[in-house]
Amino acid sequence: DQQVKQNSPSLSVQEGRISILNCDYTNSMFDYFLWYKKYPAEGPTFLISISSIKDKNEDGRFTVFLNKSAKHLSLHIVPSQPGDSAVYFCAALNSGGGADGLTFGKGTHLIIQP
Amino acid sequence: GAGVSQSPSNKVTEKGKDVELRCDPISGHTALYWYRQSLGQGLEFLIYFQGNSAPDKSGLPSDRFSAERTGGSVSTLTIQRTQQEDSAVYLCASSTSPNQPQHFGDGTRLSIL
Repeated sequence: DQQVKQNSPSLSVQEGRISILNCDYTNSMFDYFLWYKKYPAEGPTFLISISSIKDKNEDGRFTVFLNKSAKHLSLHIVPSQPGDSAVYFCAALNSGGGADGLTFGKGTHLIIQP
Repeated sequence: GAGVSQSPSNKVTEKGKDVELRCDPISGHTALYWYRQSLGQGLEFLIYFQGNSAPDKSGLPSDRFSAERTGGSVSTLTIQRTQQEDSAVYLCASSTSPNQPQHFGDGTRLSIL
């Protein structure tokens, strides 16, 4: 049973446009959400996070939106740049869950077209 | 650099052999995590250490897997009698505390022949 779902395995966006990556979750106990970016042969790199007490968090070109009622979050990248081409993972955590690690989605491969 | 360091970066071994994977977390990070990523899958959580103790080992796939952490720093993940389904990238992460962003190493790519 997949608790974090990224339904788009890949996404192609033109350079300069907005990239929107989506993530859905099923576990209502999740209260902390993160986005990671991964290049081939490297470990995931933390991008941005959001606590369930907020509905938006912005950091430069990256903004994460959280809709708790829909159990949905999204990552917006604007403007998209060639270096943004990577696999993006959505992750979630139950901060009161004790010894649990992050629960990850399967990732979305973002391709920025020149 | 000051990031999470994992070794070896690649390991190829025959089925039935034991392997030991090492993780050196960021200095001062008390929380340490092991994950694995099989081909085409997301990251699967294996085990978490707070200091030297692992409160919950139920995420380990089988009793062939074990992990330890000594001195609140370096951790090793050991897989005994490896099987082909153990082939994956094993990733280690650390954080300052359990509810802070985790920082990952580049992983060990394990291939079981």
